[in-house]
Amino acid sequence: DAGITQSPRHKVTETGTPVTLRCHQTENHRYMYWYRQDPGHGLRLIHYSYGVKDTDKGEVSDGYSVSRSKTEDFLLTLESATSSQTSVYFCAISGVSGNTDTQYFGPGTRLTVL
Amino acid sequence: AQKVTQAQTEISVVEKEDVTLDCVYETRDTTYYLFWYKQPPSGELVFLIRRNSFDEQNEISGRYSWNFQKSTSSFNFTITASQVVDSAVYFCALSENNQGGKLIFGQGTELSVKP
Repeated sequence: DAGITQSPRHKVTETGTPVTLRCHQTENHRYMYWYRQDPGHGLRLIHYSYGVKDTDKGEVSDGYSVSRSKTEDFLLTLESATSSQTSVYFCAISGVSGNTDTQYFGPGTRLTVL
Repeated sequence: AQKVTQAQTEISVVEKEDVTLDCVYETRDTTYYLFWYKQPPSGELVFLIRRNSFDEQNEISGRYSWNFQKSTSSFNFTITASQVVDSAVYFCALSENNQGGKLIFGQGTELSVKP
């Protein structure tokens, strides 16, 4: 299994508070992704990174920001959490030989915004 | 625009039955990649298979097999002699070339295998 961890695994927060989720990998992979999973929608891409300090938006990026200052860490920040951001968040990595390689997923973070 | 459709929201079978999960995709690219992932009740996402658009050979791995047909834009997944441990949500996904590896997921099919 790919070495991917996510922290925290569960979080309950209140509307309007900032939240940061962390994805950490030990595989030295170039590409990292953040997805959210909601019933009826499968997984949808929020942001992705193709290298240190190189990031781009995905399908549902509004209300989220990301940062990648080291190869191994990719942070997802909700500047001011809303109830619509209650979801399960998955981080993924890829990139042994290209950006269309298989993505391997972390264990997920369940976020509840009250 | 790219899209993945898994029309079967839920499927219920009895153990040892064969079951096919359907996946239909839309893309304008000639180079693309298709994937299947399994999400068991524990919640993690497990990679099952990756197939590129130039390889239409069907693949078999134990009780699992995949049928890729470009003519119908389908990439169906069959489980032979299903087992209770196959109970999970299965996702089909599409990645287009030169798109940063972004995966477009279908909505998922929840498979329940009853003893």
